Amino acid sequence: DTGVSQDPRHKITKRGQNVTFRCDPISEHNRLYWYRQTLGQGPEFLTYFQNEAQLEKSRLLSDRFSAERPKGSFSTLEIQRTEQGDSAMYLCASSLRGDYNEQFFGPGTRLTVL
Amino acid sequence: AQKVTQAQTEISVVEKEDVTLDCVYETRDTTYYLFWYKQPPSGELVFLIRRNSFDEQNEISGRYSWNFQKSTSSFNFTITASQVVDSAVYFCALSGYSGGGADGLTFGKGTHLIIQP
Repeated sequence: DTGVSQDPRHKITKRGQNVTFRCDPISEHNRLYWYRQTLGQGPEFLTYFQNEAQLEKSRLLSDRFSAERPKGSFSTLEIQRTEQGDSAMYLCASSLRGDYNEQFFGPGTRLTVL
Repeated sequence: AQKVTQAQTEISVVEKEDVTLDCVYETRDTTYYLFWYKQPPSGELVFLIRRNSFDEQNEISGRYSWNFQKSTSSFNFTITASQVVDSAVYFCALSGYSGGGADGLTFGKGTHLIIQP
């Protein structure tokens, strides 16, 4: 049973560079979520997909953030022109569509912007 | 807007003591879901329990139990006979219900539980 996987696990970049993170959900899950977690805080919801449709993106932190899920399987989160304030853990979760919203989380990608 | 408050930032107890983690939530939705997640030092969030807004039955799973009270908008979590392996950050979370399913989770800030041997 494969869980949610994320790649890379760690990313160090210089301010102003673009970064892209990948998330592979649990295979039968059609919903995929992105969150950001900063030190000492709970995860903060960013966006989510049902299959390939992005159903909520108003929570993305700025227009520098974008996400895709082109074939309804894996997803990518891109941050353009990174800033030091973008340093955080980026978490991906997946769930099955249904009456419940039981989300299973991946290990996260830790981003450090120098 | 939805909000989850975990007023206890850190709790430290000695092993075998019982401990209760508090969670208070705010929502205008009539249908919603409440969750508890555990984040051990390794960092990966682990799902513990889900509760629907229309089901106020308390639940027990081994040493864990949950008390959901709509009247006080609380969903508290108790660990009985705590163990060192219970040391982690525990998050309470809330989601609404939209269309055919629910949406993003709103998390509290977490309670750091330290179990001392």
